[in-house]
This record gives sequence, structure tokens and C-alpha cells, in this order.
Amino acid sequence: DVKVTQSSRYLVKRTGEKVFLECVQDMDHENMFWYRQDPGLGLRLIYFSYDVKMKEKGDIPEGYSVSREKKERFSLILESASTNQTSMYLCATSTLRLAKNIQYFGAGTRLSVL
Amino acid sequence: AQSVTQLDSQVPVFEEAPVELRCNYSSSVSVYLFWYVQYPNQGLQLLLKYLSGSTLVKGINGFEAEFNKSQTSFHLRKPSVHISDTAEYFCAVSAPSRDDKIIFGKGTRLHILP
Repeated sequence: DVKVTQSSRYLVKRTGEKVFLECVQDMDHENMFWYRQDPGLGLRLIYFSYDVKMKEKGDIPEGYSVSREKKERFSLILESASTNQTSMYLCATSTLRLAKNIQYFGAGTRLSVL
Repeated sequence: AQSVTQLDSQVPVFEEAPVELRCNYSSSVSVYLFWYVQYPNQGLQLLLKYLSGSTLVKGINGFEAEFNKSQTSFHLRKPSVHISDTAEYFCAVSAPSRDDKIIFGKGTRLHILP
């Protein structure tokens, strides 16, 4: 089974803090994704990466950056957290080697910025 | 570019009754179609997928969906729901591509009434 682990289930931060959300996968998948999920808006893609040190902007990258120094780890960084970044953050992975375009998700990190 | 529309944000249904969750998509190229389910306080997991071949697709937990190219629809059905089906359901579309990006609908919350 694919395992996608997000380091925190719940996180509370203050406005202006630098926040790191970590995602680790154990299945050697090439592609990794960060989404945010908000009620009524579904999932929106923030950033994705299809290889180590590669990153591509998604639909809503403003206010976020990412890092992928190792294949198994994909970090989402909020340089200066703001209250409008309070949300559920979901990490996902996929591989082209097996079933195409199927993404496997972590349990999510619910971030509150006060 | 692809897009997906889930026509109902919430669907209430009595236990043991049938249910249909509606999904329409738009795309100028051939597509892959998915339904994902998100149980309370969890990440998303794949219910079923259409990649090619038979238009009737069976998934986990007794769900099935039918790909209708002429109506650009991919509705999800279950003949008899159980209280454990209470969840949010996401329809998603993607086109075969290197980066495995998926476009998600805004979700339909399924409420099972006793």
C-alpha cells in the first residue's frame, strides 16, 4: 500500500510566522502535489513537483513556496503566514509507472493562522 | 483545458435508498475520470476510475459510475446506501500528460438519513 504521511494533523500558528508543512511518501513516486481544501471550493492545486528539485506552480501559488530536495519528501512553506491561509492542506503523490493519473493522498494538515 | 462540475453541493438520502451523485466535465481531448471519497477527518481515497474501455466502471464499497461521452457526464451511483457512506465525494478529470495533474470538482456532501 502507498503511504503518504503528513507530519502534523493540526497546526496553530500566528500571523507572520514561517510555517513548514512536510509530506513524506514511501513508494518512490515521481510526482508530488500540494492542495488546499476549503468548504465550497473543493481542492485547489498550490504547487507540484515531478522530480527532485523540480517544481511547478499550480493554480494558487501566491504566498507559498515548496522544496523537494529528496524524492520522498515534499515541503510546503508559508513564508509569512496570514489568516487567509487558514485551511486544510493535502499532499498527494502519483506515478506514471503504474496506473496513470491516480493520486494517493495523505490524511491532511488542518492549519489555523491566528 | 479541462473542467468538472458537480451539480449538487449536498445530497440527503435515506439509509438503504439508492443515490446518484452527478458530475459533468468539459475537455477538448480524451480524458481520464475519477471519483474520490473523503471520510470525516481523513484524506481522499480513490473510489473508481475510468481510463478507457467499458463505460460502466465498478469501484469499492458497491459504487459504480457510467462514462457518457455524448453527455460529458460521469455520474456516481449506489443502489443502497449505508450510514458508513456519509462522506464528501469528489469527481475529477485529467488528460494523459507527463505531470499527472487532476482537476477536482467542488465536492458533494452525502448525508445519510436514518
